[in-house]
Amino acid sequence: KAGVTQTPRYLIKTRGQQVTLSCSPISGHRSVSWYQQTPGQGLQFLFEYFSETQRNKGNFPGRFSGRQFSNSRSEMNVSTLELGDSALYLCASADGAVDNEQFFGPGTRLTVL
Amino acid sequence: GENVEQHPSTLSVQEGDSAVIKCTYSDSASNYFPWYKQELGKRPQLIIDIRSNVGEKKDQRIAVTLNKTAKHFSLHITETQPEDSAVYFCAAPTSGGYQKVTFGTGTKLQVIP
Repeated sequence: KAGVTQTPRYLIKTRGQQVTLSCSPISGHRSVSWYQQTPGQGLQFLFEYFSETQRNKGNFPGRFSGRQFSNSRSEMNVSTLELGDSALYLCASADGAVDNEQFFGPGTRLTVL
Repeated sequence: GENVEQHPSTLSVQEGDSAVIKCTYSDSASNYFPWYKQELGKRPQLIIDIRSNVGEKKDQRIAVTLNKTAKHFSLHITETQPEDSAVYFCAAPTSGGYQKVTFGTGTKLQVIP
């Protein structure tokens, strides 16, 4: 099976812009979670989608949003970018059952100037 | 929500020695505890996990122990090798399961040849 893929791998944006990141899960997986990884804050949970519905949400402002399509691919959007949004954004794919292994993608490195 | 504390933040050991990383969690309903290894520039990968119905699990040189009463779990790496050098993250899900996961802040392990 192909692993989790994320596009693009690198992005440079300026403050105030918006950005959309994409994640394709492992075939057959219906759960996609998004995380923000920064040196100071570690891995922080953004949200999780399962069968096109947001099932869980972390403590991020409304500027961070996401969606999932019928083929389980997921997108994450960040509007009105701030310098502090610079981070590695990781998505993780899982089969959706309770407490099962998550498989991470390679991440998208976002730099906000 | 879940709170996960991880110690130490950095750990240096001589090749061949053992390394121990400890995590505590707050949500007594948590029942699945994975450990991830993240090498520099790479994605986190699951190395071992434990569920609350067992107290210890081993996989070759890696073991995890769980004390549900005290709400802590530990990663043990024996006979460390230079390729064990990485950042290790513990994690715990929130009550209700699914994929809302709180990660520890990470331990940077350096194995000195």
